[in-house]
Amino acid sequence: AQRVTQPEKLLSVFKGAPVELKCNYSYSGSPELFWYVQYSRQRLQLLLRHISRESIKGFTADLNKGETSFHLKKPFAQEEDSAMYYCAPEGGGYNKLIFGAGTRLAVHP
Amino acid sequence: EPEVTQTPSHQVTQMGQEVILRCVPISNHLYFYWYRQILGQKVEFLVSFYNNEISEKSEIFDDQFSVERPDGSNFTLKIRSTKLEDSAMYFCASSLTGVSGANVLTFGAGSRLTVL
Repeated sequence: AQRVTQPEKLLSVFKGAPVELKCNYSYSGSPELFWYVQYSRQRLQLLLRHISRESIKGFTADLNKGETSFHLKKPFAQEEDSAMYYCAPEGGGYNKLIFGAGTRLAVHP
Repeated sequence: EPEVTQTPSHQVTQMGQEVILRCVPISNHLYFYWYRQILGQKVEFLVSFYNNEISEKSEIFDDQFSVERPDGSNFTLKIRSTKLEDSAMYFCASSLTGVSGANVLTFGAGSRLTVL
């Protein structure tokens, strides 16, 4: 079965600290991988996707096929990064996203 | 920037009543989705829709649920006889060419359903 694991429900850091939000997946094949973010009172929106290999708002995510991980990282967290972050692999060729349970990032001043 | 629009933003209904949640996807998108999020839980896939038919549905999407694209612009989710456990935030999403190939899902703001 397709599974996405985000082990931390809450990650609490101080401004300027590095951040790593963990995501592990168990899928057959090579799914496309996404990170979505939901800021307070806003809709779910795409943060970044693996295929683009881009850095958005200072965040990057590296795919490690050996560990089946797609951790989200930022070297220096900002208060405005506080939000709910969801790892979302594409559903193994089924043309849908499967969301992890989400990690709430709280960045304190 | 184009948006996915959902109505109502919040609906309160009695158990056993029918509910229709409406969505207007982005106009040139071809793939449509419904997800739901029970309070405190993860975002769960319900159904995907393409070419006027269901592409895939989850085990949550039982006979009480149906989707329709009645007029080429709206995409609706109907719950025939609501249960308490249907209380959740329901998200509509659309995509130009589907998720395969890493195309982006654009989400609506959600419709909160409260079943009493």
